[in-house]
Amino acid sequence: DTEVTQTPKHLVMGMTNKKSLKCEQHMGHRAMYWYKQKAKKPPELMFVYSYEKLSINESVPSRFSPECPNSSLLNLHLHALQPEDSALYLCASSQGGSNTIYFGEGSWLTVV
Amino acid sequence: QQQVKQSPQSLIVQKGGISIINCAYENTAFDYFPWYQQFPGKGPALLIAIRPDVSEKKEGRFTISFNKSAKQFSLHIMDSQPGDSATYFCAARLPLSYNNNDMRFGAGTRLTVKP
Repeated sequence: DTEVTQTPKHLVMGMTNKKSLKCEQHMGHRAMYWYKQKAKKPPELMFVYSYEKLSINESVPSRFSPECPNSSLLNLHLHALQPEDSALYLCASSQGGSNTIYFGEGSWLTVV
Repeated sequence: QQQVKQSPQSLIVQKGGISIINCAYENTAFDYFPWYQQFPGKGPALLIAIRPDVSEKKEGRFTISFNKSAKQFSLHIMDSQPGDSATYFCAARLPLSYNNNDMRFGAGTRLTVKP
């Protein structure tokens, strides 16, 4: 079982709603990631936090806002999303000095 | 910005057969090549990984073959089982010394193992 925990597993939201996805890891990893995955496609990198600082933002629209409250937690705040934003959102983590990235089970997001 | 090309897109294998998935990369700076297995409704799970200084790595029924000069690597699943039916992604990662050392994924291969 993955040690990266994501909540909620499923989320349905309207285009005017504000919601958040949450991620937690207790492996002591210092890098955390958000990926977006559409059906039958590979994961696409959205954000990277390294030592709780945002180090990579892959030109993601501002309606997605990441937050890293501490080294174990990662949030993705969602506001004014579009139906095309419906996807599986994956959180991942890796240890400094290691290449291995571990994924959570993902949060299925549907925007109506 | 596809830097890793994966084939085939889908693969059907009989139980007990060998499944082979191929990947090719462009950037010679990549120094870590993992394979992920993803079941429907689940996140990708690391299956096996290799570094370019090794030509082959085997873990159970899963083997990675790596050809540095050809910039290609492949996953072999021996004695394929119906439970292996999943989507497989190859990936490549830049060294940690790079500022942008995120993972670049192949397009994925949907494997079906028929009983």
